[in-house]
Amino acid sequence: KQEVTQIPAALSVPEGENLVLNCSFTDSAIYNLQWFRQDPGKGLTSLLLIQSSQREQTSGRLNASLDKSSGRSTLYIAASQPGDSATYLCAAAAGGTSYGKLTFGQGTILTVHP
Amino acid sequence: GAVVSQHPSRVICKSGTSVKIECRSLDFQATTMFWYRQFPKKSLMLMATSNEGSKATYEQGVEKDKFLINHASLTLSTLTVTSAHPEDSSFYICSARDWAGLSTREQFFGPGTRLTVL
Repeated sequence: KQEVTQIPAALSVPEGENLVLNCSFTDSAIYNLQWFRQDPGKGLTSLLLIQSSQREQTSGRLNASLDKSSGRSTLYIAASQPGDSATYLCAAAAGGTSYGKLTFGQGTILTVHP
Repeated sequence: GAVVSQHPSRVICKSGTSVKIECRSLDFQATTMFWYRQFPKKSLMLMATSNEGSKATYEQGVEKDKFLINHASLTLSTLTVTSAHPEDSSFYICSARDWAGLSTREQFFGPGTRLTVL
């Protein structure tokens, strides 16, 4: 059974800092790895999706990497802003016949203060 | 593109009543829809997977008679919480995948429905 863990559980940084969020998964036979953002009381916003054959994806100030063999993914946020404050979730999509069933981590609550 | 809506966004009901939550794909045909549940400050837990025109597949520990799922068309899936109790209070989120998602496995998420059972 896939288990996804995110570290740290919470992170508070001053505006402008670069930061790294970590995600680890126990079963390396994933189809892809996705990073989401969730604002309080809201749904999920997809940030980046990395296919299992890829090593990283970039979008603006965000960069996500994937190392399947070690079961790790990181989300790098450059020059953080107060508007980046949210909960960040990673999710691993199952391969094989599970057709991409997602297993989510517990999330990292990010606070960027001015 | 790839917009998923949910209705209602919030619902408050009395214990013992049934509540229906709708999930719609607005600009694509969703061959597969997923229903998740999220407890406060917790992550999302998959409840069930539904394919259009067939019965839903429920995750272990999810009561199929309690949480009825219907995926009657390629743009609509409904989750009915029957005989709701306070412990059913939660944030319910749906996601949808189109034909292209068979290869990418990408899901598009709705905004969620907050259910409060008094």
